[in-house]
Amino acid sequence: AQTVTQSQPEMSVQEAETVTLSCTYDTSESDYYLFWYKQPPSRQMILVIRQEAYKQQNATENRFSVNFQKAAKSFSLKISDSQLGDAAMYFCAFWPNSGYALNFGKGTSLLVTP
Amino acid sequence: EADIYQTPRYLVIGTGKKITLECSQTMGHDKMYWYQQDPGMELHLIHYSYGVNSTEKGDLSSESTVSRIRTEHFPLTLESARPSHTSQYLCASSVNREKLFFGSGTQLSVL
Repeated sequence: AQTVTQSQPEMSVQEAETVTLSCTYDTSESDYYLFWYKQPPSRQMILVIRQEAYKQQNATENRFSVNFQKAAKSFSLKISDSQLGDAAMYFCAFWPNSGYALNFGKGTSLLVTP
Repeated sequence: EADIYQTPRYLVIGTGKKITLECSQTMGHDKMYWYQQDPGMELHLIHYSYGVNSTEKGDLSSESTVSRIRTEHFPLTLESARPSHTSQYLCASSVNREKLFFGSGTQLSVL
């Protein structure tokens, strides 16, 4: 079975500070995509960042960056200069070449305090 | 950005009623999906489709059924709603593994 594990049910960060959300996954495949999705209270799923397994360079999108450690099967999300609007559920997701859909972790609830 | 629409946004209904949750996309995507999100927020794939007349069950067993008669339309039906069906239902579509586009979801409450 291919699984995604988010070990932090809840995280808290102060505005303007940096926070890192953890994600590990389990697979025997070498070709896959990894994603972080954000779900605010509106419940709309928003793609934050995507990483292709064959690319060694860590993906970045403005204040969001990942630390992709393929050998360790780790895919953490770093949010810099946190803003109140970053408060949401964050889901790590994994899509292997053999898979028919995205597999999601259980999510991490991020609270941003002023 | 995402041209994928779900209706209704909220639905409160009594036990035993038949319901259909609508999902449409205007992007011409062949692949479409239904995820169920439980109150603990975990997402489970319940149905997917790779094209017209193609439907498959997902990882989580569901009493719902789906159909795919047109590329753009992927409705989900519950023949007899029960309180255990209370959940958020998210529809999504994609061209490939690079990105999944999500609708806004339907929050279903069965009394």
